[in-house]
Amino acid sequence: SQQGEEDPQALSIQEGENATMNCSYKTSINNLQWYRQNSGRGLVHLILIRSNEREKHSGRLRVTLDTSKKSSSLLITASRAADTASYFCATDTGGTSYGKLTFGQGTILTVHP
Amino acid sequence: NAGVTQTPKFQVLKTGQSMTLQCAQDMNHEYMSWYRQDPGMGLRLIHYSVGAGITDQGEVPNGYNVSRSTTEDFPLRLLSAAPSQTSVYFCASRWTGGSHNSPLHFGNGTRLTVT
Repeated sequence: SQQGEEDPQALSIQEGENATMNCSYKTSINNLQWYRQNSGRGLVHLILIRSNEREKHSGRLRVTLDTSKKSSSLLITASRAADTASYFCATDTGGTSYGKLTFGQGTILTVHP
Repeated sequence: NAGVTQTPKFQVLKTGQSMTLQCAQDMNHEYMSWYRQDPGMGLRLIHYSVGAGITDQGEVPNGYNVSRSTTEDFPLRLLSAAPSQTSVYFCASRWTGGSHNSPLHFGNGTRLTVT
């Protein structure tokens, strides 16, 4: 079963607007990661947030983590047409699952110029 | 530094045929893994390896075999292809020295169609 569930499944916005994607998970995690996938390509790592962190920034990206609610959000500010892609959250539960990441189903983001 | 290289990019098989999907990385990563991506299903882990000589099953291992004879290579074998194995396959590796807090590096995928 999927550890991460993402919401919404698809998001369509205009260039310049902000995009927010949410991820919920079921079990305790060591860290949560966000990835981006352009059509026909492999996934590219965007940002990693550890379980003891609440917020992290990278350029126009802001990730929050609420371990009490088992949820995370990815905010892309001032979106551009080039941000059009699928975005996935992935959880690392650590321990005996050493190294394994479990992915959500993804959010398809379309940014209209 | 090529990262993670997957071959072939595309493959068409007939039911019952066998083939090997190749994956190589030049980053000296101990951890390597195979995922399949299907519409609406996200990525599902097939097999993974934490080092040469060590492999383990993921979420959907049936119908697939792996081996890890070197740090660099992690081939995925389909012994008798079935239409249900039509998918896009991704190989990914990560550095695991010291902590779990490292990202996965993905190849560009192999698109497999089984007729």
